[in-house]
Amino acid sequence: GIQVEQSPPDLILQEGANSTLRCNFSDSVNNLQWFHQNPWGQLINLFYIPSGTKQNGRLSATTVATERYSLLYISSSQTTDSGVYFCAVEPPSGTYKYIFGTGTRLKVLA
Amino acid sequence: ETGVTQSPTHLIKTRGQQVTLRCSSQSGHNTVSWYQQALGQGPQFIFQYYREEENGRGNFPPRFSGLQFPNYSSELNVNALELDDSALYLCASRLDRRGANVLTFGAGSRLTVL
Repeated sequence: GIQVEQSPPDLILQEGANSTLRCNFSDSVNNLQWFHQNPWGQLINLFYIPSGTKQNGRLSATTVATERYSLLYISSSQTTDSGVYFCAVEPPSGTYKYIFGTGTRLKVLA
Repeated sequence: ETGVTQSPTHLIKTRGQQVTLRCSSQSGHNTVSWYQQALGQGPQFIFQYYREEENGRGNFPPRFSGLQFPNYSSELNVNALELDDSALYLCASRLDRRGANVLTFGAGSRLTVL
């Protein structure tokens, strides 16, 4: 099955810093989403981005499907950005399941 | 529009017991899926329901079962609980339509098995 790897596994930033999170996947995918999991466990959808580039405020994401990777950019980080960021992909096989990466744990210090 | 709601938020069971977790899908969504998230790991797909029938399943044993009701709400049932079943159980809904497969998650039910 598809393997989804995220890097770095852990990241500590000072408030105001920028960061790039990476998601590599081992095969072609139908869909890709980025999620932020807050300390209470809620998974918040950030981007639905099977290809191309999208921006939402301080966050932006780029997926290069032909090269099997996606990037999540966080600019001017805030303490509320802390949590775990997951990339999830849906294989094209019609199994309907999303496969999640292992996540990047981000801590933003005040 | 309402989001995805799950109940209960926390519960404690003992090994061998049975548990039922509930989920109300986001308004207008016809597909619901369940995920298990063990501590420190990413969510793992359990199964998905569309129009009250299971149409996808991950690597989970038959003691994990589910239901979807006509109003698109859903239940996850786990029989003969084991210690390793301790996890956060997440429900996600989506509108099954080409090009519109955005998953929306609930806040989860945290199950502890003693």
